Amino acid sequence: QVQLVESGGGMVQSGRSLTISCAASGFTFNTYGMHWVRQAPGKGPEWVAAITYDGTNKFYSDSVKGRFTISRDNPRNTLHLQMSSLGPEDTAVYYCAKDSVTFLEYFSSLHIDFWGQGALVTVSS
Amino acid sequence: QSVLTQPPSVSAAPGQRVTISCSGSSSNIGFHFVFWYRQLPGTAPKLLIYDDYRRPSGIPDRFSGSKSGSSATLDITGLQTGDEADYYCATWDTSLGAGVFGTGTKVTVL
Repeated sequence: QVQLVESGGGMVQSGRSLTISCAASGFTFNTYGMHWVRQAPGKGPEWVAAITYDGTNKFYSDSVKGRFTISRDNPRNTLHLQMSSLGPEDTAVYYCAKDSVTFLEYFSSLHIDFWGQGALVTVSS
Repeated sequence: QSVLTQPPSVSAAPGQRVTISCSGSSSNIGFHFVFWYRQLPGTAPKLLIYDDYRRPSGIPDRFSGSKSGSSATLDITGLQTGDEADYYCATWDTSLGAGVFGTGTKVTVL
């Protein structure tokens, strides 16, 4: 069965960097686009970034563009999110999420069929 | 501030019906498919409706989606206590080049 397991969350000081990862299993990782979605305490989900199946195309929300980098290691079935210049507003549970469509070269929907359990990132000021 | 607006809360008695609206624009709902997710406290969102009205396997037909222009609607009939959760619409926004979630609606079963 599909499993997405995030790791690397924790507490970090404002202005510093952190990388979180997602280990994927149970599906052919290198054929699906992947997303990061975050949820601040008491708030709704916020889409953060997405990457196509082969890593060629990447998309970011305005709130993280220029600070966060999404990447993937297909041979290792792993998704990453490098976060820099972190601020308290980045405090959230970060979910790794699998798109439902194979071989997308761009995104035009938010069809997520599987989610990880989430990794908590806390940025202290 | 999300580009997709939902009512903060809706409520009804068991067995009744609730309707959740999601208002967007021509660059998101008016151009792309709409998806609906349900989220229980402490858990990840779960897909309820995709491509405006389709249900994943395992989702009962008490849940239905529709779309007209730049607005979408989720209907829940035969309301059950287990339906108490937060519900979010979502889609892609061409102008932003990004995914967007709605502001969320809390469903309460009276």
